Amino acid sequence: QKEVEQNSGPLSVPEGAIASLNCTYSDRGSQSFFWYRQYSGKSPELIMFIYSNGDKEDGRFTAQLNKASQYVSLLIRDSQPSDSATYLCALNSGGYQKVTFGIGTKLQVIP
Amino acid sequence: DAGVIQSPRHEVTEMGQEVTLRCKPISGHNSLFWYRQTMMRGLELLIYFNNNVPIDDSGMPEDRFSAKMPNASFSTLKIQPSEPRDSAVYFCASRTGGETQYFGPGTRLLVL
Repeated sequence: QKEVEQNSGPLSVPEGAIASLNCTYSDRGSQSFFWYRQYSGKSPELIMFIYSNGDKEDGRFTAQLNKASQYVSLLIRDSQPSDSATYLCALNSGGYQKVTFGIGTKLQVIP
Repeated sequence: DAGVIQSPRHEVTEMGQEVTLRCKPISGHNSLFWYRQTMMRGLELLIYFNNNVPIDDSGMPEDRFSAKMPNASFSTLKIQPSEPRDSAVYFCASRTGGETQYFGPGTRLLVL
């Protein structure tokens, strides 16, 4: 089992809809969870991180963490075509905060 | 702030040649990471330096890969000899004491 599992997509949603991106992980000792956005041909950029169970909101983005189910998600409200990108789920494990990435989910927001 | 700087941005070489990728981290950042990204395997950590010291190189594929960080402002990733399966985008990232890693623009490597 991979450490971080994501559906590679593509996930297509209409403009204005809610996009829901999901991620599961295998290491129960993981402490910190991240969502990176990567536009085609560009480098990843951090958009959110979450440490505690529950929801964390930042503008149109909400990260959700359920450690019991080993599940992390990212909701994007009022999706815009500019949100079209690959979203990488990542987690921190290990003593020196090694970050492990999922394969990424490609999101397409259709105008 | 110029961000993380990588060179070259693109590299095309022939199998068997030596390839050297370069990275300048953000000034003041004490952690540096080298990643490789492919469609099949995603983003993989190759090696991590903290205060110029290699901490974890378990992701380095094999002896053909080596990395150095002679000072706080410069790191290299070398592949010798290169093989077609090394074709990928190689990212360097740096971090200070917090959680956020800042990625460079990447080097697109094609080995023919």
